[in-house]
Amino acid sequence: KAGVTQTPRYLIKTRGQQVTLSCSPISGHRSVSWYQQTPGQGLQFLFEYFSETQRNKGNFPGRFSGRQFSNSRSEMNVSTLELGDSALYLCASRDSGANVLTFGAGSRLTVL
Amino acid sequence: QKEVEQNSGPLSVPEGAIASLNCTYSDRGSQSFFWYRQYSGKSPELIMSIYSNGDKEDGRFTAQLNKASQYVSLLIRDSQPSDSATYLCAVMGGRRALTFGSGTRLQVQP
Repeated sequence: KAGVTQTPRYLIKTRGQQVTLSCSPISGHRSVSWYQQTPGQGLQFLFEYFSETQRNKGNFPGRFSGRQFSNSRSEMNVSTLELGDSALYLCASRDSGANVLTFGAGSRLTVL
Repeated sequence: QKEVEQNSGPLSVPEGAIASLNCTYSDRGSQSFFWYRQYSGKSPELIMSIYSNGDKEDGRFTAQLNKASQYVSLLIRDSQPSDSATYLCAVMGGRRALTFGSGTRLQVQP
């Protein structure tokens, strides 16, 4: 099985812009979670989607949003980018009823 | 108080020694516990999961869980330079969201 695929791997944006990141889960996995990783804050939970519905949400401002499509692929969007949004954004998928998350390689966002 | 706490390290051990990594958590209702390894510039990969009190062994790795003390540990026997990485403790709470500790950086000296 192919793993979790995230695109793009690297991107550079400027303050005020918006960005959309994409994640394709492992085939058959219907749950997709998003995490932000920074040196100062570590791995922080953004949100989880299951069957196109947001199931959990972390403590991030409304500028961070996501969605999931019927094929389980997920996107997250960050609007009005700030310098502090520079981070590695990780997507992870898991099988229904399972607890183990499998991570993608991540999308590294730099905001200038 | 952070929900999942780990010593950031670095923890330095000589090659062949036992590395002991520790983690405490605050949510008494947590049921699932995980150790992930993250190499620099890479994404986390699962090493061990543990769900009940006691020890669970997998090759050179042993996870230990004590729910009464809210404590999880990971032992790495016969540490190798390739084990040098950041080890992340993760705890799954009632909402099934995974909360990570800040990680412990392990350095295995050849």
